[in-house]
Amino acid sequence: AQTVTQSQPEMSVQEAETVTLSCTYDTSENNYYLFWYKQPPSRQMILVIRQEAYKQQNATENRFSVNFQKAAKSFSLKISDSQLGDTAMYFCAFMNNNAGNMLTFGGGTRLMVKP
Amino acid sequence: DVKVTQSSRYLVKRTGEKVFLECVQDMDHENMFWYRQDPGLGLRLIYFSYDVKMKEKGDIPEGYSVSREKKERFSLILESASTNQTSMYLCASSLGGTGNTEAFFGQGTRLTVV
Repeated sequence: AQTVTQSQPEMSVQEAETVTLSCTYDTSENNYYLFWYKQPPSRQMILVIRQEAYKQQNATENRFSVNFQKAAKSFSLKISDSQLGDTAMYFCAFMNNNAGNMLTFGGGTRLMVKP
Repeated sequence: DVKVTQSSRYLVKRTGEKVFLECVQDMDHENMFWYRQDPGLGLRLIYFSYDVKMKEKGDIPEGYSVSREKKERFSLILESASTNQTSMYLCASSLGGTGNTEAFFGQGTRLTVV
């Protein structure tokens, strides 16, 4: 079974600053995906970024990037130039590629972007 | 755009009632999921389905059942609601197949059992 741990229940950042959210996971699998999902106050969960475990290059999506350390089983999310609209719950999630599309989630980090 | 629609945003039910949470997706996705979201615990998988009339237990199936009679609809059933089932329930769907990993979520149903 996989586990996903987010050690920061809450974080805050000033608008335009950079913030990094931490995530670690535990698995014996070698073929998997990692995700960051965002849940704003509207409750609509949306995908922020995805990383395939077999790819060494870190994924980036505009202001969002990850630091994927496979050996350390670490998958952090960096948000650059933070905006007020980034205020949300952020969930790290794991998917075993050999077990369908089921996601295992971390406990979440509540991020507040301050003006 | 993929749309996953949950029938209610808020529900209040009494202990012992049978409760139905409905979820419909409009993109012909193979996979559908029900998750429960609780503070500090993230989302936990209750049940999932890879095809019509097919269901598999997730991590916390006790006290729940599901029904998938049509491809687009996946229902979560609380046979006899209890106060410890007060929670946020999220439905999700995904296309399935190699590389099609993105899950699309509904807006959630906040259920209160009194």
